[in-house]
Amino acid sequence: NAGVTQTPKFQVLKTGQSMTLQCAQDMNHNSMYWYRQDPGMGLRLIYYSASEGTTDKGEVPNGYNVSRLNKREFSLRLESAAPSQTSVYFCASSEALPASSYNSPLHFGNGTRLTVT
Amino acid sequence: GESVGLHLPTLSVQEGDNSIINCAYSNSASDYFIWYKQESGKGPQFIIDIRSNMDKRQGQRVTVLLNKTVKHLSLQIAATQPGDSAVYFCAETTNDYKLSFGAGTTVTVRA
Repeated sequence: NAGVTQTPKFQVLKTGQSMTLQCAQDMNHNSMYWYRQDPGMGLRLIYYSASEGTTDKGEVPNGYNVSRLNKREFSLRLESAAPSQTSVYFCASSEALPASSYNSPLHFGNGTRLTVT
Repeated sequence: GESVGLHLPTLSVQEGDNSIINCAYSNSASDYFIWYKQESGKGPQFIIDIRSNMDKRQGQRVTVLLNKTVKHLSLQIAATQPGDSAVYFCAETTNDYKLSFGAGTTVTVRA
């Protein structure tokens, strides 16, 4: 099984450029997430989608937008990239939100390494 | 505030020994805890999880212990192997949708 697939793996942008990070999962999961990982700061939630048709902000949503295209796909868009958005971006999915009535761990992709100059 | 932290940023272990990775959490309302392993250049990989109504759970070569009295979580790895070298994160649910992650412990296995 492919699990969670992210594209591209690497990207370099100039300040002000836009781009979309793609994510797809093949586990029939309902919930999907975008995290960013910075050195010494662990993983921080940008946006999440509890189920198809819904999206909500996480703890660091500024400068980003998301689209839950269908049950499989959840994209993250940077409209005007800034150097502060240099990071590794991880998409994840789970059967349900983590605090639901049954155990629902997040499964992560291998990340997109983004550099904004 | 709500935070998840690991006691030590690095851990060096002799191959074949048991490893213990510790994590302290501050949110007494947290209900669900997960351990992840992250190898260089890859995403976090699920290892094991535990609910707050349990104090111990075992997997293949791994055991998670939860002490709610002192808000402490640990991951024990039996017979540590070179492939166990990675960064280990604990995570807790802080509300319905959010997992809070600690900064991670880097485990290095010595041959």
